[in-house]
Amino acid sequence: SQQGEEDPQALSIQEGENATMNCSYKTSINNLQWYRQNSGRGLVHLILIRSNEREKHSGRLRVTLDTSKKSSSLLITASRAADTASYFCANGDMRFGAGTRLTVKP
Amino acid sequence: GAGVSQSPRYKVAKRGQDVALRCDPISGHVSLFWYQQALGQGPEFLTYFQNEAQLDKSGLPSDRFFAERPEGSVSTLKIQRTQQEDSAVYLCASSYKVLDYGYTFGSGTRLTVV
Repeated sequence: SQQGEEDPQALSIQEGENATMNCSYKTSINNLQWYRQNSGRGLVHLILIRSNEREKHSGRLRVTLDTSKKSSSLLITASRAADTASYFCANGDMRFGAGTRLTVKP
Repeated sequence: GAGVSQSPRYKVAKRGQDVALRCDPISGHVSLFWYQQALGQGPEFLTYFQNEAQLDKSGLPSDRFFAERPEGSVSTLKIQRTQQEDSAVYLCASSYKVLDYGYTFGSGTRLTVV
């Protein structure tokens, strides 16, 4: 990929469970962003975490950043069927990985 | 407008035909990106504009691909002599600030080359 890898490639969980997705990146960053994409639609910005931040919350989303390991994680708590989508991380240069496809079963 | 608008929504082109894809970013947005997304893959960077200046075109796959943003607002991605491997969704994204802000994406143009 252009900037790194998301892990896992696919994740299937039951509604109400938590979902964790990981992202590794290759180059130094000023910030890292997470986006969601529903099938056949454009990407929607979820959250941006800056390189001097270690954790950030937004509603049911929690993002962590470990610059020493060049990695980030996205946690979605109490998942809903509507969270079913592909999730992508992007480095500060707006380069994306291949994404994690999340399926939340009702 | 309220969001990033891309047109056409769908385009079918015969191999060898030239196509032009349009992106209307949110008014006042400085940064603009173009991406190519194949089915089941992440968006692949094509090119980046800051106002009218094309600062990075390293992702354009060949000299058949050309992008412009002459007045720093509307952008056009042109593909000459389309090939079947050009079939993909082309996404445009814009942001008010430069590279340190969340981006707003359009819904994309799905190009099918037959």
